[in-house]
Amino acid sequence: AQSVTQPDIHITVSEGASLELRCNYSYGATPYLFWYVQSPGQGLQLLLKYFSGDTLVQGIKGFEAEFKRSQSSFNLRKPSVHWSDAAEYFCAVAFSGGYQKVTFGTGTKLQVIP
Amino acid sequence: KAGVTQTPRYLIKTRGQQVTLSCSPISGHRSVSWYQQTPGQGLQFLFEYFSETQRNKGNFPGRFSGRQFSNSRSEMNVSTLELGDSALYLCASSSGQGESYGYTFGSGTRLTVV
Repeated sequence: AQSVTQPDIHITVSEGASLELRCNYSYGATPYLFWYVQSPGQGLQLLLKYFSGDTLVQGIKGFEAEFKRSQSSFNLRKPSVHWSDAAEYFCAVAFSGGYQKVTFGTGTKLQVIP
Repeated sequence: KAGVTQTPRYLIKTRGQQVTLSCSPISGHRSVSWYQQTPGQGLQFLFEYFSETQRNKGNFPGRFSGRQFSNSRSEMNVSTLELGDSALYLCASSSGQGESYGYTFGSGTRLTVV
């Protein structure tokens, strides 16, 4: 069965610092990979997605993620964090091909300090 | 275009009652998925409907059910509510051509069971 691991439950960074959120997946083939962000009391917003091709994916709000097949990882990065980036971030995976449900990681809460 | 609309935003119900939640997907989207989000369990997949047919189902008891109408609007029903059903229920809309294309989430319905 597919699974997603986000090893960091909570991360604190200073405003202006760089950010990397980790995500590892377990699946036998190349999955479809996603990052979502959730602000308190809100639904989830898609930041970026990877299906195939270029392993470095650009998303909204200045985020990017890199797919590394050898490490089964899809880490999210941002070069300079803004206070408005404070939220919870979810990595997700789906089977490639056909219709399928999306499995979410447990999330990483990002705190940004001035 | 209009986003995913979930109604109501908040609900308070008594244990043993039943509840119906509604979701209107993005125009043209034929797939609607439902997730339960709790602090302890994270995001858990309930079920997915495509063209009025349940296409995928998660591991929830039969008290949780859903349906989809010809206009793609979906409802989920929870009967005989338990305290543990208190959660944020999220609806996600997609084109239906594989969730790989990415969900668009609604803002959710916050259900509190007392």
